[in-house]
Amino acid sequence: GAGVSQSPSNKVTEKGKDVELRCDPISGHTALYWYRQSLGQGLEFLIYFQGNSAPDKSGLPSDRFSAERTGGSVSTLTIQRTQQEDSAVYLCASSLALDSGEAFFGQGTRLTVV
Amino acid sequence: AQTVTQSQPEMSVQEAETVTLSCTYDTSESDYYLFWYKQPPSRQMILVIRQEAYKQQNATENRFSVNFQKAAKSFSLKISDSQLGDAAMYFCAYRTPRTGSNYQLIWGAGTKLIIKP
Repeated sequence: GAGVSQSPSNKVTEKGKDVELRCDPISGHTALYWYRQSLGQGLEFLIYFQGNSAPDKSGLPSDRFSAERTGGSVSTLTIQRTQQEDSAVYLCASSLALDSGEAFFGQGTRLTVV
Repeated sequence: AQTVTQSQPEMSVQEAETVTLSCTYDTSESDYYLFWYKQPPSRQMILVIRQEAYKQQNATENRFSVNFQKAAKSFSLKISDSQLGDAAMYFCAYRTPRTGSNYQLIWGAGTKLIIKP
């Protein structure tokens, strides 16, 4: 695609429910990254993929968070049993390769847990 | 651990004037990338400018330029001839070099730039 696409743009969910956030990277980009941005703060790194592989999952905040990528393209970030502290904007980015200097970002998913 | 600090939570500038946003970082690495990203209300992070640490020459992109002081670990962004469309949050970011499996960007807390018409 022309840019990184994320869906949904906004998501309101009840505490305890599971949510799935989707990221469609730029076509041909092998590296994909997930970040979380809490209100008024910078970005917190969550996880990256090289192809379909995520070598380091230590950035995920808890075991309620998981992510996968299939076909070297679309990635989903799943949050189980959502909590209010999970409320944030979740940003996805992709780059041509892992050591490519520039990452291109999507517009994010604003998650609100009520 | 690497850290990035933006000491100005908010800056304002008159349209057409020049403004400088500050960024300092801490690292023991000698090779790395530094970035300035802009985040308008649309939420999408847009790359403004990047600098490779091994390059002594300061990067420039049209009205945007940086003052990269490697010894001082300082990376400020200068915006000349400020325009209303420049209003946004600006984030400074550091990218770890290719060591191990760590490719994350490390971010400052951001500076909100207000442009006064």
